[in-house]
Amino acid sequence: KAGVTQTPRYLIKTRGQQVTLSCSPISGHRSVSWYQQTPGQGLQFLFEYFSETQRNKGNFPGRFSGRQFSNSRSEMNVSTLELGDSALYLCASSYGQDPIGEQYFGPGTRLTVT
Amino acid sequence: AQSVTQLGSHVSVSEGALVLLRCNYSSSVPPYLFWYVQYPNQGLQLLLKYTTGATLVKGINGFEAEFKKSETSFHLTKPSAHMSDAAEYFCAVSDGGGSYIPTFGRGTSLIVHP
Repeated sequence: KAGVTQTPRYLIKTRGQQVTLSCSPISGHRSVSWYQQTPGQGLQFLFEYFSETQRNKGNFPGRFSGRQFSNSRSEMNVSTLELGDSALYLCASSYGQDPIGEQYFGPGTRLTVT
Repeated sequence: AQSVTQLGSHVSVSEGALVLLRCNYSSSVPPYLFWYVQYPNQGLQLLLKYTTGATLVKGINGFEAEFKKSETSFHLTKPSAHMSDAAEYFCAVSDGGGSYIPTFGRGTSLIVHP
């Protein structure tokens, strides 16, 4: 079974621009979660989508948004980029109705904002 | 509410020495517990998990962890460190509640000296 894939793997953007990141979950998984990872803040939960609906949300500003399509693929958008948005963005998928909560991670997208 | 504390942001060991990475959790219900490993520029990979049953859990690459309810701990150990074990390690807890999303610790960077 193919793993979680994320595109692009690397991205360089300029402050003020917007960016869209994509995540394809493992086949059969209906939940997709997004995390931001930085050296200073560690791994921070952004939001989770399940069956095209945002089910959980972390403490990030409205510039960070996401959506999920009917095939469970998900996109994350960041508008008006700031230097502090430079980070590794990780996507994780799961079945979404398993209380154990085990997640499967993609390789991440490394975003650099200049 | 659930939370995870990983003692020590960095742990340094010599090759061949015992590896001990500490994790304490807080959960209002019997938890599900995980250890993930992250190699540079990669996503997180599941090392092992505790759900129910035997409290000593064996994972990949020779790692194991023991669930101690009385101490609310889930420490990760490996008898003999290898250079390839150098990575970031994350402990996570899920309480099986409605969020289906685990809570991650800040991570511990394992440094292995030759």
